[in-house]
This record gives sequence, structure tokens and C-alpha cells, in this order.
Amino acid sequence: GAGVSQSPSNKVTEKGKDVELRCDPISGHTALYWYRQSLGQGLEFLIYFQGNSAPDKSGLPSDRFSAERTGGSVSTLTIQRTQQEDSAVYLCASSRAGGVSPLHFGNGTRLTVT
Amino acid sequence: GNSVTQMEGPVTLSEEAFLTINCTYTATGYPSLFWYVQYPGEGLQLLLKATKADDKGSNKGFEATYRKETTSFHLEKGSVQVSDSAVYFCALSRTQGGSEKLVFGKGTKLTVNP
Repeated sequence: GAGVSQSPSNKVTEKGKDVELRCDPISGHTALYWYRQSLGQGLEFLIYFQGNSAPDKSGLPSDRFSAERTGGSVSTLTIQRTQQEDSAVYLCASSRAGGVSPLHFGNGTRLTVT
Repeated sequence: GNSVTQMEGPVTLSEEAFLTINCTYTATGYPSLFWYVQYPGEGLQLLLKATKADDKGSNKGFEATYRKETTSFHLEKGSVQVSDSAVYFCALSRTQGGSEKLVFGKGTKLTVNP
């Protein structure tokens, strides 16, 4: 396939609802990252998956956030009981092996919590 | 911890002007350094990288030199074009506890006018 695919591209939800964001990485890429991009805040690291290793969850801002990666491919980021401060663009990226390998980013999911 | 500081924008230049976007970093050891670019309506993509001190990364007329003594990785281009209008992100990669996550600066928006 082409590049990293994220869905939905836009999501509007009411405060308190749960949302699921999906990422399809480039086939064969073992590393997968989630970042959050807020206005004026740059890119905030959320979570990193590398092969079969335990994920690095050190960037998840609260226990309302979780992510999984099934079969080493597709990943879902779940936000429970959404808050207005969760509004941001959520970016997924994959790379061949992590580290200095270039990250290939999707176009992101723009989440708006009303 | 590891961090990246880049000059705040926005930066507005006329076509053919000289561009410098400053980036400094804080990290233990020897990180790898990157510049990513986000063109309007597109996902982030790698512009250039340098993996050790004194390395120069270059691409599309842009250059950046890894300066360990000043912990800097400034982005330069001798003659910008309208098509260079984008948001530029400086980033570093440093293995911590087995995780090779990328840490980004806040981004600098560049607008080039004809």
C-alpha cells in the first residue's frame, strides 16, 4: 500500500464519550508511534510499539488513554470519557525499525470534544 | 530529560531570501538529529538527518550541521521558494530504556511570499 492510513480523518464527540482512532501502518514497518499535535504545543509523544516488545507508554497523559497493536500491524488509540482538553490532531507514524529510520506519518485524526 | 528548542515563528520571507531556523537540544550522550517538514494539507515527512557530530544533512537545498559543542542543529537554505512554505520541526532520537522515540520541537511556520 501507499502510506500510513488513519481513520477517521475528523471526529467530533461529546464530552464524556469514548472514541477509537485507527492507524494502518506501512506494511513491513515494525515500529509504530502515536503523537498528539496541539496548537502551539508541537508534537507530544504518546506511545511507541516496536515489534513484539512491550510498548513504551510513558507519554500517555492519563489512564483514560490506551492503545493496542494487533498482530504487529493495525493500531487503535482509545480515549475514554473524553474531555475538552483532549481536542487535538492525533498522528500515527511508522518506521522500518525505529531509531534513525525515517518516520512516515499519516495525515492524522482531528478530534474535537464539545 | 531529552528536549528540543527551536525558534518561535512565524517566519515570513520573500522569495530568494536566506533562511535560518535555529534548533538547540538537550540530551545525554549522542542523539541523532532530524528536521521534519509539514507542507499545507500533508503529513509530516523527513527533510534531513544527521547521526553523529559534525555530520551535515542536506536535501532540497536545505542543510543542517550537527554541532555537539553548541548542541545545535540549525536549518539553513540559501534561497527560499514559495513552495518551501511549511511548518518545520526539529527532532532528536535517543534510545532510553530500549525505546527509540523521537522528541520534537514545537515547530516553526515559514511563509515565503513571491
